[in-house]
Amino acid sequence: DIQMTQSPSIQSASVGDRVTITCRASQSISTWLAWYQQKPGKAPKLLIYKASTLESGVPSRFSGSGSGTEFTLTISSLQPDDFATYYCQQYDSYYSFGQGTKLEIK
Amino acid sequence: EVQLVESGGGLVQPGGSLRLSCAASGFTFRSYWMHWVRQAPGKGLVWVSRISSDGSSTTYADSVKGRFTISRDTAKNTVYLQMNSLRAEDTAVYYCARDYSNYFDFWGQGTLVTVSS
Repeated sequence: DIQMTQSPSIQSASVGDRVTITCRASQSISTWLAWYQQKPGKAPKLLIYKASTLESGVPSRFSGSGSGTEFTLTISSLQPDDFATYYCQQYDSYYSFGQGTKLEIK
Repeated sequence: EVQLVESGGGLVQPGGSLRLSCAASGFTFRSYWMHWVRQAPGKGLVWVSRISSDGSSTTYADSVKGRFTISRDTAKNTVYLQMNSLRAEDTAVYYCARDYSNYFDFWGQGTLVTVSS
């Protein structure tokens, strides 16, 4: 099974900050990686797929990069609506998620 | 507009059974693989099961293999998750999700399953 590890688990930031979340896979997954945003009591929402492709309708301040075993999600300028929990997911071999990164207001 | 609406959750005793439903609309249901993903209270997302677009292929996480069964009814645009021999650790919100090239592009709102005596 492929294990996904995100860091940090919790990040405090302010509106306007540039934020980066890291996701590492236990083995190479090429670029078969997605990022989701989840707000309390809501379903996850797809942000990025194939490591760096922005889902339609997602603001351009979100971007993804990486390949192999190391990936990043970057929010270029945090907006109030972005405070949420973010999950990476590999889909190279079945499916597994990172443990999540909670982005909270500093 | 794509919509996925789960139902069927509730409180069940350990060892009991429950069947979840996910009603799909707004897209050609028969063309898509579908998944169930769960989230225990305060925890992360865990993939549970998938079913192929024609229902001929199913796959399960090891934690539910032999206890859960996924199925679909194309006439009703619905995917099901039959859950037997439920355990406390199956307590979670269960989401259905649409598969688009192996990532999940639409999710339902979830249904809560609580396994407790």
